[in-house]
Amino acid sequence: AQSVTQLDSQVPVFEEAPVELRCNYSSSVSVYLFWYVQYPNQGLQLLLKYLSGSTLVKGINGFEAEFNKSQTSFHLRKPSVHISDTAEYFCAVSETNAGKSTFGDGTTLTVKP
Amino acid sequence: NAGVTQTPKFRILKIGQSMTLQCAQDMNHNYMYWYRQDPGMGLKLIYYSVGAGITDKGEVPNGYNVSRSTTEYFPLRLELAAPSQTSVYFCASRQPPGQGPGTYGYTFGSGTRLTVV
Repeated sequence: AQSVTQLDSQVPVFEEAPVELRCNYSSSVSVYLFWYVQYPNQGLQLLLKYLSGSTLVKGINGFEAEFNKSQTSFHLRKPSVHISDTAEYFCAVSETNAGKSTFGDGTTLTVKP
Repeated sequence: NAGVTQTPKFRILKIGQSMTLQCAQDMNHNYMYWYRQDPGMGLKLIYYSVGAGITDKGEVPNGYNVSRSTTEYFPLRLELAAPSQTSVYFCASRQPPGQGPGTYGYTFGSGTRLTVV
């Protein structure tokens, strides 16, 4: 079985500051990893994904994430956040031979002016 | 390109009533999913389908039923609604792994907010 733990439920940060949202996962087999963003009253949209290869993956809106197999982590980062980045962020894991993903409980990112 | 369309967007049900949440996708995706999102709890998988005529239970299937007669549609049926089913329901779809690099992530609908009173 697979599981995902997002280590911070809420992350407040000032505009133009860097941010890191932390995600650890557990699985006994190879996995694909994802970050999704959910703006208020909307569905989730894919931010970025790690399938294989380079451990640093870049996504939309200036976000990037680094896959660390030894620490079973997939932390999301952005060097300088904007007010418009205020949203809920979800980390998800999918075993490579399975069709469904398991989601973390989410991290609320609040960017203050 | 509509993607995944969910209807209705909002619904209030009385305890014991039944309803069907509709989900349609126009991307010819084989895999479809139903999740529920409770505040602070992330998304929990209710049911999923890997193709027409094939469905399977997720983590929290009790109180729900699904059918998948075509690739495009994947309705979720609530029988005898209970307050514990108050939640936001999301439908999602994707292609199976291995069918192109753009197919691994989910495409989500905009959700159905259901309140049972």
